[in-house]
Amino acid sequence: EPEVTQTPSHQVTQMGQEVILRCVPISNHLYFYWYRQILGQKVEFLVSFYNNEISEKSEIFDDQFSVERPDGSNFTLKIRSTKLEDSAMYFCASRVSGTGGETQYFGPGTRLLVL
Amino acid sequence: SQKIEQNSEALNIQEGKTATLTCNYTNYSPAYLQWYRQDPGRGPVFLLLIRENEKEKRKERLKVTFDTTLKQSLFHITASQPADSATYLCALFGSGGYQKVTFGTGTKLQVIP
Repeated sequence: EPEVTQTPSHQVTQMGQEVILRCVPISNHLYFYWYRQILGQKVEFLVSFYNNEISEKSEIFDDQFSVERPDGSNFTLKIRSTKLEDSAMYFCASRVSGTGGETQYFGPGTRLLVL
Repeated sequence: SQKIEQNSEALNIQEGKTATLTCNYTNYSPAYLQWYRQDPGRGPVFLLLIRENEKEKRKERLKVTFDTTLKQSLFHITASQPADSATYLCALFGSGGYQKVTFGTGTKLQVIP
């Protein structure tokens, strides 16, 4: 069964460093998402992406964050200058269609630790 | 502001009983609602979707109800098993294709053998 994959599974970085989290969505999906989950807290929406542009973003997704689909398969989240509070699990998700509420398929996540 | 509340942080039930989880929302008119399961250190896994014009949905031992008047969804697991132990999340979507998704805080279900 097709699945969303994410790399790396764990990332440790120093405060102020840039990190890039990578995702490979399911191949025929058109809508892509990033979420984060701080330990013990709820899953929070960051950004949605369709047709090579951001379709919606949350207030968390400030200028430090950017997303890109550099080729036909990868979808990346970049954090330019990491802060301690960026430590969280980051999930990528994708879905095939934007209407009707079709299932979002989540990846296994990248656990980011900022020291 | 929009708010989603799931009835309790944790719920313990005996194996074989029916687990009932609640999701209440305010200041929101979702087109549809989803329930997900999340195991520790893993991503959410989709279980069921119910649309605003639907009252009830079933899938095997799972049942979801959606009352837009009460602004509430109930999620039932019948004949519960220890393998059902996980955190269950409700998620609300607005109308339109790719609207922001808002998740509840989750209810951690423990099924005791």
